[in-house]
Amino acid sequence: ETGVTQTPRHLVMGMTNKKSLKCEQHLGHNAMYWYKQSAKKPLELMFVYSLEERVENNSVPSRFSPECPNSSHLFLHLHTLQPEDSALYLCASSQDLQGWNTIYFGEGSWLTVV
Amino acid sequence: QQQVKQSPQSLIVQKGGISIINCAYENTAFDYFPWYQQFPGKGPALLIAIRPDVSEKKEGRFTISFNKSAKQFSLHIMDSQPGDSATYFCAASMGNNFNKFYFGSGTKLNVKP
Repeated sequence: ETGVTQTPRHLVMGMTNKKSLKCEQHLGHNAMYWYKQSAKKPLELMFVYSLEERVENNSVPSRFSPECPNSSHLFLHLHTLQPEDSALYLCASSQDLQGWNTIYFGEGSWLTVV
Repeated sequence: QQQVKQSPQSLIVQKGGISIINCAYENTAFDYFPWYQQFPGKGPALLIAIRPDVSEKKEGRFTISFNKSAKQFSLHIMDSQPGDSATYFCAASMGNNFNKFYFGSGTKLNVKP
C-alpha cells in the first residue's frame, strides 16, 4: 500500500467545470509536490510545498491552484482547464527539501478534459 | 531546454538478456542521479541512485554506471525478467539544494518471455 494516496484516480471534466484533486501522505514527511505526467514527456514539476509553505511554482497557469492546509494534505484545484491539460497528475512527498531524499509518489489522478 | 536526455524511448529485450538505458546531462552542478521505475497504473518508485563520487553502483540485478567526464549515466538490468517490464525514468538533482529533480522522458521496457 502506497504511503501517498490520491483521489480521485480518474476524473473527466468539462472546460467550464471546477474540480479538485486530493492527496494525502501517511509518511510523516514535510515536503509535498505536484507533478504532471504527459505521454513521452519528462515529468513536469508543478508545485512544491515545505511545511505548508509554497516554495516553487514552475510557471504553472493560474487555472491550476494548489492548496496545502497541513503537511499531510495537498490539493490541486482545477478550473477552466484546456484539453491539453489532460494528463496524469502525480502527488509526491519527501522527508524534507534536501535533494538526496527519496521522493515517494502516489498512484496519480488521470485527468481528461473534454 | 531538457536538462536530462534519456534514450531509448522504448526497448524490447528477451528474458535473460541485458537491458541498457542511457541518460545524459549538461549541468555539472548535478550531484545526485536516481532511477525511478513505474509500472502501469502506479506512480514512479525509486529503484536505485548514485552520487558522482563512484563510477558504479549495484543492487541485485540493477547497476548504475556513471561517467562524470562524459556527463552520462546508464541503468543496466541483468538477467531481465518479464516482471521488469515497466517505464524507467532517470533523473538528476543538486543534492545539497532543494529537492528539485529533472527527469528524463522515460524508457518503456518490454521483456519478452
